[in-house]
Amino acid sequence: KQEVTQIPAALSVPEGENLVLNCSFTDSAIYNLQWFRQDPGKGLTSLLLIQSSQREQTSGRLNASLDKSSGRSTLYIAASQPGDSATYLCAVRRDSSYKLIFGSGTRLLVRP
Amino acid sequence: DTGVSQDPRHKITKRGQNVTFRCDPISEHNRLYWYRQTLGQGPEFLTYFQNEAQLEKSRLLSDRFSAERPKGSFSTLEIQRTEQGDSAMYLCASSLGGSIVEQFFGPGTRLTVL
Repeated sequence: KQEVTQIPAALSVPEGENLVLNCSFTDSAIYNLQWFRQDPGKGLTSLLLIQSSQREQTSGRLNASLDKSSGRSTLYIAASQPGDSATYLCAVRRDSSYKLIFGSGTRLLVRP
Repeated sequence: DTGVSQDPRHKITKRGQNVTFRCDPISEHNRLYWYRQTLGQGPEFLTYFQNEAQLEKSRLLSDRFSAERPKGSFSTLEIQRTEQGDSAMYLCASSLGGSIVEQFFGPGTRLTVL
């Protein structure tokens, strides 16, 4: 059974810091991995999608990497801003299914 | 707005009542998904449609839950005889066909069962 874990559960940093969010999964037979952002009480915003054959994807100040064999992904946020404060969720899609399996998220607070 | 839309955004109901939620996917997306999210947790998959066919259902989708997508466009999720444990955010997502399958989520429907 695929399980997704995100560490840390919560993170508070001062504005301007570079930071790394971690995601691990137990079954390496994934098709792709998606990182999402969720603001309180809102839906999910897709940030980056990495196919299983890719090592990383970049969008602006965000960079996501994938090490499929070790079951890990990281989301790197450069020069953090207060507007980055949100919960960040990673989700994996297995080869055999279209459903996403989510971690519990990392709650990020960027202090001005 | 051409994103995924959900209606209503909030629903308060009494235990035992039936509720129905609607999801309108992004135009031309033939895949539609329903997830449920409780406080402090990531979303959990409920069911998935490709066009009008319901292709996968989670064991979370008990007999009280039913989902439809009659014409392959919008979808409805009905919960019969609601229980307090049904209180959650119900999220809908859609994606194109093909191999990339990036899922785009709607704003969700917050259900509170009293």
